Amino acid sequence: NAGVTQTPKFQVLKTGQSMTLQCAQDMNHNSMYWYRQDPGMGLRLIYYSASEGTTDKGEVPNGYNVSRLNKREFSLRLESAAPSQTSVYFCASRVPGHGRETQYFGPGTRLLVL
Amino acid sequence: DAKTTQPNSMESNEEEPVHLPCNHSTISGTDYIHWYRQLPSQGPEYVIHGLTSNVNNRMASLAIAEDRKSSTLILHRATLRDAAVYYCILEPNFGNEKLTFGTGTRLTIIP
Repeated sequence: NAGVTQTPKFQVLKTGQSMTLQCAQDMNHNSMYWYRQDPGMGLRLIYYSASEGTTDKGEVPNGYNVSRLNKREFSLRLESAAPSQTSVYFCASRVPGHGRETQYFGPGTRLLVL
Repeated sequence: DAKTTQPNSMESNEEEPVHLPCNHSTISGTDYIHWYRQLPSQGPEYVIHGLTSNVNNRMASLAIAEDRKSSTLILHRATLRDAAVYYCILEPNFGNEKLTFGTGTRLTIIP
């Protein structure tokens, strides 16, 4: 099992450009998440999806859109990138809705917006 | 949402036990206590979790206070590979997927 995979690993954008961060998991998990982590900070939840076809806002959703393409894939889109979106983005997945379940994280996408 | 409070940083000597504290005074009765750690340039990884009773696994032990308002992650014999940021988070049992990570505790291991 590959677990949670993310592409690309690193990306440089100019202000105003758009891009999509891809995330896929092969653990048959229903719930998937997108977090961002700014330098020296903890993770903040951007969006999550409790099941295929559903998405909901987290703590910092402004400037982002998401798409739960199918059970395996959950993408994060930046329509018009801003320097404030420079961060490391982590995708995670888990069995849904039960506090005893573990989250599994991907390796992260490092995004630099100039 | 219930929050957690952790020290910003701690140091420990290699091969000695480490006790990482976490306060969660507003924890609800159905919140699980989870610990994750993040090694440099990696995504967080699961360490341990518990509800009321103390828990042990191959990585660590989790001691939960009787009133559940605090917990302690115990690394029995720290190695250099345990140097990481450790996050204590509360995960609601049902209905709320909005998980909150604090800034965690940066653990430095001294050789």
